[in-house]
Amino acid sequence: DSGVTQTPKHLITATGQRVTLRCSPRSGDLSVYWYQQSLDQGLQFLIQYYNGEERAKGNILERFSAQQFPDLHSELNLSSLELGDSALYFCASSVGLAQQGEQFFGPGTRLTVL
Amino acid sequence: GENVEQHPSTLSVQEGDSAVIKCTYSDSASNYFPWYKQELGKGPQLIIDIRSNVGEKKDQRIAVTLNKTAKHFSLHITETQPEDSAVYFCAASPRSGGSNYKLTFGKGTLLTVNP
Repeated sequence: DSGVTQTPKHLITATGQRVTLRCSPRSGDLSVYWYQQSLDQGLQFLIQYYNGEERAKGNILERFSAQQFPDLHSELNLSSLELGDSALYFCASSVGLAQQGEQFFGPGTRLTVL
Repeated sequence: GENVEQHPSTLSVQEGDSAVIKCTYSDSASNYFPWYKQELGKGPQLIIDIRSNVGEKKDQRIAVTLNKTAKHFSLHITETQPEDSAVYFCAASPRSGGSNYKLTFGKGTLLTVNP
């Protein structure tokens, strides 16, 4: 158990809908990262937040957005969903500045868009 | 941006044999190289990492080597056991300042250890 929690575990929805994925980082971690894992693209970095502020962006679509709240939990919002958005979405957390790159992953949310 | 190539995509070994997975990266600014193990239905788990000021690091049956000149790094698992069966991912992270330590992952290697 990495200490990172994600909800829900599974999500099934229809095209055009909007969903919210939630992540709670490990206690004491200030950075939260979101990744998308699909069979064809592998593990792709989407976005990073550090202590409430956006710090880095990867291949995140404009239909997707995220935020990190004062209690450090994070939410990833996916809108106007398409079939191709079906994937595993992982959240990871790290201490931030103190340790370079040691990211601990949550169990993921499996999103299925029908 | 960074590009990480990983091979082989699948690897099958007999229990007790060694397994080697290799990765190459493109960005010479990368200086942190972790390896993750992902079991079915779970998130990736950090198993070992290496920083660019070190050429080799070992942790029990797992070792990682880094050649910065050639821009490649490898994972070595000795005395493999059936519970080592999983997908293994290499990754690279350039230091871009501040707290931006995003990881670029390889495509993964499915390791199967046959009893």
